Amino acid sequence: EVQLVQSGVELRKPGESLKISCKGSGYRFNLYWIVWVRQMPGKGPEWMGVIYPGDSDTRYSPSFQGQVTFSADKSISTVYLQWASLRASDSALYYCARLQGVSIRGYMDVWGNGTAVAVSS
Amino acid sequence: EMVMTQSPGTLSVSPGERATLSCRASQSVGSNLAWFQQKPGQAPRLLIYGASSRATGIPARFSGSGSGTEFTLTISSLQSEDFAVYYCQQYNNWPQTFGQGTKVEIK
Repeated sequence: EVQLVQSGVELRKPGESLKISCKGSGYRFNLYWIVWVRQMPGKGPEWMGVIYPGDSDTRYSPSFQGQVTFSADKSISTVYLQWASLRASDSALYYCARLQGVSIRGYMDVWGNGTAVAVSS
Repeated sequence: EMVMTQSPGTLSVSPGERATLSCRASQSVGSNLAWFQQKPGQAPRLLIYGASSRATGIPARFSGSGSGTEFTLTISSLQSEDFAVYYCQQYNNWPQTFGQGTKVEIK
């Protein structure tokens, strides 16, 4: 079974750093782009950008460029989303998803279970 | 950034009835359009890709149509498990963008 399993709920204070993970299984993880998606409470999803685990090629949506960092460890089929200094406005649900299709012009066919991030003093 | 506009915002439908959801792109996306279903507490689930192809395991009552800037998702006979929020999403242009969603609720 193709699966993406994400790390658990995170509670942090403003200014703290954070790294959340997404681990793939059931397919050749290194050969598919992974997308990160943000969903704020009561809102629709927002596409943050993509990473290719095979070589860590990364593309950020303009809205998220400089705000977050994607990374990958292909040896353990895992990608990461990290913040150097969290803000309250980063409180949201974060999903990873597999991109199916040609390069980064593909559709998201498998989604992770989501990681809830809450930032509050 | 491409804007995806969904209508209506909320659709009230009785079980067994047909539901028609619309999605408009601010510029042409060809057929690079997907539809997702999201229920409370769950991740979005892919229903349709390529504007009209059903994803694996999706019932035939879900169908998609359209190309360019105008798209439609039709649920032919609503079942209880279909009441949810539906999002369209374009993957033709960078960055990919979602519509704001249509909530399908029980009438």
